[in-house]
Amino acid sequence: AQKVTQAQTEISVVEKEDVTLDCVYETRDTTYYLFWYKQPPSGELVFLIRRNSFDEQNEISGRYSWNFQKSTSSFNFTITASQVVDSAVYFCALSEARGSNYKLTFGKGTLLTVNP
Amino acid sequence: DAGVTQSPTHLIKTRGQQVTLRCSPKSGHDTVSWYQQALGQGPQFIFQYYEEEERQRGNFPDRFSGHQFPNYSSELNVNALLLGDSALYLCASSSYSGIPYEQYFGPGTRLTVT
Repeated sequence: AQKVTQAQTEISVVEKEDVTLDCVYETRDTTYYLFWYKQPPSGELVFLIRRNSFDEQNEISGRYSWNFQKSTSSFNFTITASQVVDSAVYFCALSEARGSNYKLTFGKGTLLTVNP
Repeated sequence: DAGVTQSPTHLIKTRGQQVTLRCSPKSGHDTVSWYQQALGQGPQFIFQYYEEEERQRGNFPDRFSGHQFPNYSSELNVNALLLGDSALYLCASSSYSGIPYEQYFGPGTRLTVT
C-alpha cells in the first residue's frame, strides 16, 4: 500500500526566511510519480511539481526547489525567501504509474504561515 | 480557458438525506476524479470516471456513487448521509491522452451534514 507522511503539521516563519517542508513516502512500485500541491484558504489545490521515480535531479523554479532522494524515500520542498503569499497548506502526493490517470495518495499536509 | 468548476460551493444537508455534487472538467480533459477532504486531512480518492465508466475506486462505501456524462462532466452522489460525510469534496480533471498524472483541481464543494 502507498503512504505519504508529512511529519510537520504546522510551520511558522517570518518573511524572507527559508523553509523546508518534509515528505516521506512508501510504495512497493519501482515506477511512481511524486507531487506537491498548494492549498490556499480558498480551498483549490494548485499543482506545483510532478517528479517521476527515475528522475532524481533536483529542480528549482524561482523561489521553489525540490530535493528528491530515492535512497531515503523523501521528496522535500524548500521555499527560499518566503513571502506572506506563500501561506497555505502544502500537500505531498504519490501516484503509481500503471496507467494514464491513476489515483493520488496525499499526505496530511503542512500548514505554512509566513508572518510579515 | 475555463478551469475545473464545481457546484454548489456550499451545501448543508441533514443526516439521512441524499446529495448530488457536480463537476465540469477543464476544457480538453476527459477524465474526472473525485476526492473527499475532511477537516485537517489530505484529500482521499473516491473514484475516477473515464468514457462514462467508473475506472477506479478508493475505499468508500457504495453510498458514494457517480456518473459521467457524454460532455465529460460528472456527478457525485452520496446517499444516506452521515455526520462523517461532512467534508470538502474536490473534483480533479485530467486528459487520458495528455500529460500523464497532471490533475487540475476545482475549488471544491463544502458539504456540512447536521
